[in-house]
Amino acid sequence: DIQMTQSPSSLSASVGDRVTITCQASQDISSFLNWYQQKPGKPPNLLIYDASNFETGVPSRFSGSGSGTDFTFTISSLQPEDIATYYCQQYDSLPFTFGPGTKVD
Amino acid sequence: QVQLQESGPGLVKPSQTLSLTCTVSGGSITSGNYYWSWIRQPAGKGLEWIGHIYTSGSTNYSPSFKSRATISVDTSKNQFSLMLTSVTAADTALYFCARDRRVEWISTFDYWGQGSLVTVSS
Repeated sequence: DIQMTQSPSSLSASVGDRVTITCQASQDISSFLNWYQQKPGKPPNLLIYDASNFETGVPSRFSGSGSGTDFTFTISSLQPEDIATYYCQQYDSLPFTFGPGTKVD
Repeated sequence: QVQLQESGPGLVKPSQTLSLTCTVSGGSITSGNYYWSWIRQPAGKGLEWIGHIYTSGSTNYSPSFKSRATISVDTSKNQFSLMLTSVTAADTALYFCARDRRVEWISTFDYWGQGSLVTVSS
């Protein structure tokens, strides 16, 4: 299985702050990486696919970059509604695996 | 608008079989290039992919569940199901069904159910 790690595991930020989360894969996954946002009591919501592409309707303050084993997810200006846990997920090979999540509060 | 809804018992006894069904509405389960997945999340923890099924009936499972999980599809009811045998307390989790959209090389979980909480306890 491809192991996914994320850092930090949690962070505190203020409205307007730039927030950066990193995700690392245990082997080269090219650009085969998605980012999801999950709010308490809700299912995950797809934000970024194929490492850097916006899902339809996702605000432009969210962005992703990277390829190979190292990826970055950025919120350019944190909004109150962005308080959530963020997960990366690889689809390079089965089984699909998720990172452990980064809680943003 | 596609919607997915999980259903099934919320309480299962240890060593018994967990059974969940996902009903898809707003579109046919056989249309388009989609796989249909089960993903679980223990309380306060991360997401774990269990397996998926294509409408042809082809399945793939995570090795962590391969010997215990079975995913099936009922196209006449627009549903797919999960059975997980020999459950233990470690299988207590929120179980999500999700649509895995395939476009060229890209795979994304674009629609999810709200989740079904399953507790394994005697």
